[in-house]
Amino acid sequence: QKEVEQNSGPLSVPEGAIASLNCTYSDRGSQSFFWYRQYSGKSPELIMSIYSNGDKEDGRFTAQLNKASQYVSLLIRDSQPSDSATYLCAVIDDKIIFGKGTRLHILP
Amino acid sequence: ETGVTQSPTHLIKTRGQQVTLRCSSQSGHNTVSWYQQALGQGPQFIFQYYREEENGRGNFPPRFSGLQFPNYSSELNVNALELDDSALYLCASSSMTDLVGAFFGQGTRLTVV
Repeated sequence: QKEVEQNSGPLSVPEGAIASLNCTYSDRGSQSFFWYRQYSGKSPELIMSIYSNGDKEDGRFTAQLNKASQYVSLLIRDSQPSDSATYLCAVIDDKIIFGKGTRLHILP
Repeated sequence: ETGVTQSPTHLIKTRGQQVTLRCSSQSGHNTVSWYQQALGQGPQFIFQYYREEENGRGNFPPRFSGLQFPNYSSELNVNALELDDSALYLCASSSMTDLVGAFFGQGTRLTVV
């Protein structure tokens, strides 16, 4: 069964610093990788997708993929208090497979 | 804000009871997936409906069942509720060929006492 592993945190980062979130996945054949942000009590919101090795940047967010190491990461630059949320790493099979999520706290 | 609506938003049930949760579908979508998210966990796939047929199921017992209607809205039914069924239930509306473009509803918070 395909699995996605994340450190549950919480990860505390000072405002303005870079937050680094990490994820590993079990199936070497996985092709599509995603990061969702979920505020407490709300539904997940897709913020980044990545399909190829390397980096993909979108505003303050950078997703990084290393298929050889089966490793995906999300960097958030200039962290803001509004970035405080749970970040879910996910892969697509014939369904979305989520990790447990990492709770991120941005300290003002 | 998506066009996917779940109802009710919150409810409390007693162990052993049955519950029905509802999910509308985004216009143009033909697939609805249901997820269970326990506190502190990621969403776990329950099952998926495509064109009114179950099209994949996660590791959930048969007392979790569902329906999809001709307008692609969907229901999740849970029989013989257990305390561990307490969770946020999420539905996701998508097209079968574009699961990435799924729109999530706001969720139903179920508490079993």
